[in-house]
Amino acid sequence: DAGITQSPRHKVTETGTPVTLRCHQTENHRYMYWYRQDPGHGLRLIHYSYGVKDTDKGEVSDGYSVSRSKTEDFLLTLESATSSQTSVYFCAISESRDGYTGELFFGEGSRLTVL
Amino acid sequence: AQTVTQSQPEMSVQEAETVTLSCTYDTSESDYYLFWYKQPPSRQMILVIRQEAYKQQNATENRFSVNFQKAAKSFSLKISDSQLGDAAMYFCAYNSGGGADGLTFGKGTHLIIQP
Repeated sequence: DAGITQSPRHKVTETGTPVTLRCHQTENHRYMYWYRQDPGHGLRLIHYSYGVKDTDKGEVSDGYSVSRSKTEDFLLTLESATSSQTSVYFCAISESRDGYTGELFFGEGSRLTVL
Repeated sequence: AQTVTQSQPEMSVQEAETVTLSCTYDTSESDYYLFWYKQPPSRQMILVIRQEAYKQQNATENRFSVNFQKAAKSFSLKISDSQLGDAAMYFCAYNSGGGADGLTFGKGTHLIIQP
């Protein structure tokens, strides 16, 4: 168990409203990631973090921002949600203590519906 | 940028038989990691098997094995003695090895197990 908690697990919101998804980890891992999953697209990387206040863009970062003010929390924000951002969002961490393996451990996902 | 291609959107196999899921990838790197993840209807992402590119030997985990062809950039997953619990989406994924930029996923193969 990699100790990853996502919240909220389900959310319905309206176009134009701000939304923040939270990813919380209990294992003090350095690397954290946000992915979105859509039918026919697999999982696509939105943003990732390699330390406190260190973040970078992924493949589909437009319309999203992230923040990491402490090691255990990685926040994903949709400043003004659009229907195209209806998706399932996964947080993931990469363990780095025992040597890098590339493997990601995933949270349970957050389903966001934008009406 | 690396790409991962899964050419089979859906596969079907009879229970107890063997099925092979295909994956090809494109990279200019010589050292990297490849993964197969399983996503059952619960939505949880579960690591099935991992292969380090520098290892000649194909990885095996119980009924799951891979055929890693580095020169051909091919990484197929063989599931032997298929069971009903193997029904899921299967994703092939690539990591550049030592990088913090996460995994690049294929679009997935939906595996159906016929009883």
